[in-house]
Amino acid sequence: AQSVTQLGSHVSVSEGALVLLRCNYSSSVPPYLFWYVQYPNQGLQLLLKYTSAATLVKGINGFEAEFKKSETSFHLTKPSAHMSDAAEYFCAVSNKAGTALIFGKGTTLSVSS
Amino acid sequence: DAGVIQSPRHEVTEMGQEVTLRCKPISGHDYLFWYRQTMMRGLELLIYFNNNVPIDDSGMPEDRFSAKMPNASFSTLKIQPSEPRDSAVYFCASSPRQNTEAFFGQGTRLTVV
Repeated sequence: AQSVTQLGSHVSVSEGALVLLRCNYSSSVPPYLFWYVQYPNQGLQLLLKYTSAATLVKGINGFEAEFKKSETSFHLTKPSAHMSDAAEYFCAVSNKAGTALIFGKGTTLSVSS
Repeated sequence: DAGVIQSPRHEVTEMGQEVTLRCKPISGHDYLFWYRQTMMRGLELLIYFNNNVPIDDSGMPEDRFSAKMPNASFSTLKIQPSEPRDSAVYFCASSPRQNTEAFFGQGTRLTVV
């Protein structure tokens, strides 16, 4: 079955530091992978998606993710954290039929000044 | 387009009462999803529709939960009777086709007392 595992439920960084949020996937078919962000009391917003066109995917707000098939990973990075990046981040994979998204448990990112 | 619209944003009800959550998907989207978000279980897919037809309801927790999509622009999720453990944020999302992102509404925060 398709699934994603997000390593670390909480990540804390200083403003200006590198952000690294980890996601590993399990998929019996070539995966479609997504990262979403959720701000308090809001819905989920798409950050970026991998659809097999390129292994390095750039998204909004300076985030990017690299698809590594050999490691079954799709980690999210940002070179320099900003206070406004504090939020919850979700990794997701399409189900086998490609008709729905399966989400990880989420990682809360805290940014300190 | 205004995006996915959910109503109400907040609902407080007493145990045993019927609760109906409403969703208007983005026009032209073929898929509609209902998710539930809790601290303990994260984001769970409850049910999804394709062209108004329920495709997979295996995530619906109990027979107390039901969902309908009478037309392409409206869906409901009903809980009858409601219980305190149903307290959660319920999200509706829609997607234009397979293997692409879902667009989320703002969610309905349900509290059952």
